[in-house]
Amino acid sequence: DGGITQSPKYLFRKEGQNVTLSCEQNLNHDAMYWYRQDPGQGLRLIYYSQIVNDFQKGDIAEGYSVSREKKESFPLTVTSAQKNPTAFYLCASSPLSTRHGYTFGSGTRLTVV
Amino acid sequence: AQTVTQSQPEMSVQEAETVTLSCTYDTSESDYYLFWYKQPPSRQMILVIRQEAYKQQNATENRFSVNFQKAAKSFSLKISDSQLGDAAMYFCAYRSSQGGSEKLVFGKGMKLTVNP
Repeated sequence: DGGITQSPKYLFRKEGQNVTLSCEQNLNHDAMYWYRQDPGQGLRLIYYSQIVNDFQKGDIAEGYSVSREKKESFPLTVTSAQKNPTAFYLCASSPLSTRHGYTFGSGTRLTVV
Repeated sequence: AQTVTQSQPEMSVQEAETVTLSCTYDTSESDYYLFWYKQPPSRQMILVIRQEAYKQQNATENRFSVNFQKAAKSFSLKISDSQLGDAAMYFCAYRSSQGGSEKLVFGKGMKLTVNP
């Protein structure tokens, strides 16, 4: 079945460490997105990509980095520069046609320990 | 920039009753798409219903229907015959139809509780 897979489901990071969240889709979608979700804040866009080897910053890109070397994959790295990384992270994908909504992964819960 | 507002952070409904979730948005565009997403305790985001702005007819999906008022920029979700499984966070979202603006803009969400 086609879908979007995020891993791991839970991730713990020590202060000063970089960590990478995985996002893979087999839906043949061109666009992929990373959102951060905090209580009471809704979903905030971190980065998005509409084509391989190209991506754009969203509203809260500071302290994060991404790559898009393959159409299927859009990993997110949370760097040590992100001072408050504890949150729930959602990856999504969609066709470029705007009539479609997103298909979401099941999310990764990142906690700083 | 487009904005989406969900003014009620929480609502509750009795099982089998009907509840309406409100959403307003701000845009200068005439053609766009509106969505309602559900996020149950599993935190998986699920698309509930979609409305195309150029269609006057309100979208319906089983027990879920919308009241789309384009002039008022209002997009409410009605859940009929509420079930315990409807308990979730609900997010309203807007997507421009213009090229280069493909991002979904989300409201802050509303928590729905269903009481047995």
